[in-house]
Amino acid sequence: VMTQFPDSLAVSLGERATIHCKSSQSVFYNDNKKDYLAWYQQKPGQPPKLLFHWASTRQPGVPDRFSVYGSGTDFTLTISSLQAEDVAVYYCQQYYDHPQTFGQGTTVEIK
Amino acid sequence: ETQVRESGGGLVQPGGSLRLTCTGWEFTLSARWMTWVRQVPGKGLEWVANIKKDGSEVHYVDSVEGRFTISRDNAKNSVYLQMNSLRADDTGVYYCATAGDSSAYRPNDNWGQGTLVTVSS
Repeated sequence: VMTQFPDSLAVSLGERATIHCKSSQSVFYNDNKKDYLAWYQQKPGQPPKLLFHWASTRQPGVPDRFSVYGSGTDFTLTISSLQAEDVAVYYCQQYYDHPQTFGQGTTVEIK
Repeated sequence: ETQVRESGGGLVQPGGSLRLTCTGWEFTLSARWMTWVRQVPGKGLEWVANIKKDGSEVHYVDSVEGRFTISRDNAKNSVYLQMNSLRADDTGVYYCATAGDSSAYRPNDNWGQGTLVTVSS
């Protein structure tokens, strides 16, 4: 089970937003030393967009203001300086085993 | 640009069936594991099923096991989700997404726009 918190947060433009994701079991695979954890962004009316995989590998085109941290069972996604275009729902997903479950999502809004 | 496209959604009565199709658009689906993910409007994402490149291995979430069947026809560059014994809680937007090339244990990097399935009498 993937649990995200908070469920929603409102942040002023230019301020920091931090989202937490906790897995009920470790998603770290010892053989290759990788965390099987991804982060997605979903804007209204759009499909999800992959932001990070292997917990910390950034997809091409993802701005530097997005950063991630964590390993094992606890992870965070931080937006260092919130922009208007970052308003979205953010999901973590474990792809360590089946079913490849998502967190419930965190809605990020402008305060 | 969207590299996969879903079709086949619609309104169906409880207990009915529907088949969804995912087609590659200038993208060869046979090179990837493929996944179906669904989303109740206004709610979160639920992983539904995935299928290996050659169709020899599939996985399902417990809530659809025995009712849904994922399959593929690489000659038609398509992946399918046959949904039987549909229930109201199967209502949602169904997304098709690409996954890994060599392993099932990879994230979903290309998503379609989704197709809406509504189960209601």
